Amino acid sequence: SAVISQKPSRDICQRGTSLTIQCQVDSQVTMMFWYRQQPGQSLTLIATANQGSEATYESGFVIDKFPISRPNLTFSTLTVSNMSPEDSSIYLCSSNDGPTPFFGQGTRLTVV
Amino acid sequence: KQEVTQIPAALSVPEGENLVLNCSFTDSAIYNLQWFRQDPGKGLTSLLLIQSSQREQTSGRLNASLDKSSGRSTLYIAASQPGDSATYLCAVSSNAGNNRKLIWGLGTSLAVNP
Repeated sequence: SAVISQKPSRDICQRGTSLTIQCQVDSQVTMMFWYRQQPGQSLTLIATANQGSEATYESGFVIDKFPISRPNLTFSTLTVSNMSPEDSSIYLCSSNDGPTPFFGQGTRLTVV
Repeated sequence: KQEVTQIPAALSVPEGENLVLNCSFTDSAIYNLQWFRQDPGKGLTSLLLIQSSQREQTSGRLNASLDKSSGRSTLYIAASQPGDSATYLCAVSSNAGNNRKLIWGLGTSLAVNP
């Protein structure tokens, strides 16, 4: 099955700065998804990224805060901009192998 | 609006016990239901996928059932082992065309004690 390598696995960042999370897939995929998992909360979809088009954001998420790149069929980045402590969370990228999703290892972000 | 609830939130059992994790959803118009395992630092792993037309799926010691009309699924783990310790997540996919977004439960944190 396909594998996603996600990095960094964790980071501690100062408020007001930005962090870019990268996901590399070992095969070409059409859609990639970015999720947030805040402490004590369920996974929430941030946006869906297709190659060659702008990402589609879910309600409550905006491009200025979470810009996404999808330069080719194997790679995507999510940037968490102008971070605040409320952005402390696990961020996950995902894609689908048929009906079954597969995930990166996650990025545990702490904003201080 | 689809909501997914998992009970219990946490479970601690001795090794060897058979156990049941529960998942309920409010809108029965689902495309499929999936169970995942989440290990710290390892992301999520898909365990079982049940299509809306199916009633159960089995993989090794795991069996998942689906009762779409009542909005319920159970994950049965037989002869639990310490390596089963993880958070188990249930997610449903809606019928909304090509936008088959997953709606997630909060998970059940399982600890199997040797």
